Amino acid sequence: AQTVTQSQPEMSVQEAETVTLSCTYDTSESDYYLFWYKQPPSRQMILVIRQEAYKQQNATENRFSVNFQKAAKSFSLKISDSQLGDAAMYFCAYRTTLGETSGSRLTFGEGTQLTVNP
Amino acid sequence: KAGVTQTPRYLIKTRGQQVTLSCSPISGHRSVSWYQQTPGQGLQFLFEYFSETQRNKGNFPGRFSGRQFSNSRSEMNVSTLELGDSALYLCASTTGQNTGELFFGEGSRLTVL
Repeated sequence: AQTVTQSQPEMSVQEAETVTLSCTYDTSESDYYLFWYKQPPSRQMILVIRQEAYKQQNATENRFSVNFQKAAKSFSLKISDSQLGDAAMYFCAYRTTLGETSGSRLTFGEGTQLTVNP
Repeated sequence: KAGVTQTPRYLIKTRGQQVTLSCSPISGHRSVSWYQQTPGQGLQFLFEYFSETQRNKGNFPGRFSGRQFSNSRSEMNVSTLELGDSALYLCASTTGQNTGELFFGEGSRLTVL
């Protein structure tokens, strides 16, 4: 079974600065998806960024980028120019790609609570 | 395009009762999955339905059940409620193909007294 670990329960950053959230995972599969989801106080999970394991290029979405190290099974999220609205719980998640019947099951990490200080 | 809609948003029940939660996926999405979120256990997968069939099931007791209707709307039911069932229950929908991202609803907050 796959596991996802986020070793930083809490992180803080100054507005306009850069912060990196860590995530490691364990799997025996060679192809899979990795995601970062954001959960603000409203509780709705919002997709921040996704990475397909077969792609070597790191995904980027505006101020959000990842450092995907497949051999090390590491998937960190970098937030540049942090904004007050970035404050939220961030979850790293893993999803298998094995066949249509494998379904849409996500395995989540424990989460990292990000505080953005003005 | 409307997002994933969950009802009710908040509810309070007492031990021993049962509860039914509803989830309406994004139009065109055929897969609906359910997650339980608690401070102690984090986010845990309950089950997934695709085209009215359960396709995946997490490690939860039989008190937790679900179903999906022909219009892809899904319900989950928890019988004989326990205090530990207090949680935020999140529903997510996707097209059903393995390349699709999951879109989440705002959740149903269940409190068991």
